[in-house]
Amino acid sequence: EAQVTQNPRYLITVTGKKLTVTCSQNMNHEYMSWYRQDPGLGLRQIYYSMNVEVTDKGDVPEGYKVSRKEKRNFPLILESPSPNQTSLYFCASTAGVADYNEQFFGPGTRLTVL
Amino acid sequence: AQSVTQLGSHVSVSEGALVLLRCNYSSSVPPYLFWYVQYPNQGLQLLLKYTTGATLVKGINGFEAEFKKSETSFHLTKPSAHMSDAAEYFCAVSPRKTSYDKVIFGPGTSLSVIP
Repeated sequence: EAQVTQNPRYLITVTGKKLTVTCSQNMNHEYMSWYRQDPGLGLRQIYYSMNVEVTDKGDVPEGYKVSRKEKRNFPLILESPSPNQTSLYFCASTAGVADYNEQFFGPGTRLTVL
Repeated sequence: AQSVTQLGSHVSVSEGALVLLRCNYSSSVPPYLFWYVQYPNQGLQLLLKYTTGATLVKGINGFEAEFKKSETSFHLTKPSAHMSDAAEYFCAVSPRKTSYDKVIFGPGTSLSVIP
């Protein structure tokens, strides 16, 4: 089954404690993105990757890091989480222009930073 | 820069009534257009998309949307609402380019269906 998986689905942590949210896709997509969803703001892109070892900032990259060492995986790293990073996070992948940039989403990770 | 607006952050309809969710975009060139649905505690899934050709697009679960270039709109409709349609709906656009570009999402509309 074609899918994007994320782990964990729910995470409660404290300010400053480093965390990683994993993302994996099995569709051989070149492009992957991380979004955060906040009420009234829709989805905002944090980072994206166009291929292995190629990443770039999205609209709200501050406080986040990513890496793309393998095509299927695109982890999101919060080195020192703060309460304003409490949000719902989605990983997505796409085949790109060949598929009109249609995004395929993971189930989401709800993060709470105390 | 492209942008997407969705009129009404929350819409309530009675079961069996028409569903109309509004989406307008700003772009000098008509982009690719998408509607996504998000059910509670789930990720977003594609309802339908417009890329080229017929301007009335049919999607899953009885939804359809019509691209109107003159109005820069892509409103989502369903003739008869069902309780299972209660969800968050996002309109999104992506530029027509020969290379990858990001998708821009609207703020979302939460649909409630009243029995």
